[in-house]
Formats: sequence, structure tokens, C-alpha cells
Amino acid sequence: DVKVTQSSRYLVKRTGEKVFLECVQDMDHENMFWYRQDPGLGLRLIYFSYDVKMKEKGDIPEGYSVSREKKERFSLILESASTNQTSMYLCASSFGLGKDEAFFGQGTRLTVV
Amino acid sequence: GENVEQHPSTLSVQEGDSAVIKCTYSDSASNYFPWYKQELGKRPQLIIDIRSNVGEKKDQRIAVTLNKTAKHFSLHITETQPEDSAVYFCAATNNNAGNMLTFGGGTRLMVKP
Repeated sequence: DVKVTQSSRYLVKRTGEKVFLECVQDMDHENMFWYRQDPGLGLRLIYFSYDVKMKEKGDIPEGYSVSREKKERFSLILESASTNQTSMYLCASSFGLGKDEAFFGQGTRLTVV
Repeated sequence: GENVEQHPSTLSVQEGDSAVIKCTYSDSASNYFPWYKQELGKRPQLIIDIRSNVGEKKDQRIAVTLNKTAKHFSLHITETQPEDSAVYFCAATNNNAGNMLTFGGGTRLMVKP
């Protein structure tokens, strides 16, 4: 059973803080994703990684960076949190190479005050 | 990059009726089209997918159709039940070019008993 685990379910941070959201998967998946979910806007891709130390910008990368130092871990970093980054953040992973189903973490609801 | 449009954004049906959700995509190179269901407070989970070499796929009460020429695909749910109430997301990707999954805006389906 694939497990994608996000480090926090709820997080409250202050404007200007540096915020780290962590995601770990236990199935040796090649691909990892960070999405942001807002009402009426669906799931918008922030960043995608297809291998260790490899990353690609998604649709809304501004204000975010990522780190993938190990295959199982993909971190999303908010360099200087702002109130418009208050949202639900979902991590996902997939094996790739024809096994394309994406498995999602439980989500982190981030509130920036 | 890929752009996925999904309609309608909300759909209300009577129990036992059918529900249809439609998506269009922009990148003719996309070849994998999954559908995810997200129940309230839970993570999105894959319910059915289709690849570009197939025009239709069925799994019990759900089916997906794909029209590559028109670049649209649809989810059909027959004999709807209250437990079908959820948000449904379509997505598209070219899994030969990095597997970056782009989602539609989501459809909130409500099945009235």
C-alpha cells in the first residue's frame, strides 16, 4: 500500500516567515509533485520533480522553491510567506515509466497571518 | 504547457440518475487521462483512467470516453448513489515527456437521495 505522508496537517505561520512543507513517499517513486488546492481553481501544479535533484516549474512557481535531495523526500519552501499563500497544499508521487497513477498525501492546510 | 478545462463546476442529480462531466485539453501530445475523486476532507484518489490508444473504458458504474480529434474526454457515472457525492478532477499528461500531471478545475457532484 503506497504511503505519501506530509509532515503537518495544519500549519499557521506569520507573514515573512520561511516555511518548509515536507513530503515523504515509501514506494520508490520517480516522480513527485506539489499542488496547491483552492476552491474553484482545482489543483494547480507548483513544482514537479522526476528524479533526485531534478525539478521543473509548474503553473504557479512564484514565491516557492523545492528541494529533492533524496528520492523519497520532496520539500516545498515558501521563502517569505505571504497571506495569499494561505491554501491547502497537496503532495503526490507516481512511479512513472507507464505506471502513471499519482498517489496523494493527506494535505497541509497552511494559514499565513 | 497543457491546459485542462472542466465543466460543469457543480452538478446536482437525483439518486439513480446519470452524471456526465466533461474535460477538454490543449496539448495534442497528451496521452494519459486520469480521473480522481476527492471526498470531503480526504485526499484525491484515482477512480479510472484512459490512455490515448483507447476510445472508451468502463469499470462497473463509471466509464470514460476519449475523443482525441476534438481533444476532449468525459466521465460518465450511471445509477448514481449518495456516496458518489464528491469533487471529481480530470487530468492530462504526456507520460513520454516527464509525466507532469495537469488537472482541471474540479466538479462538485451532489447526489440527492
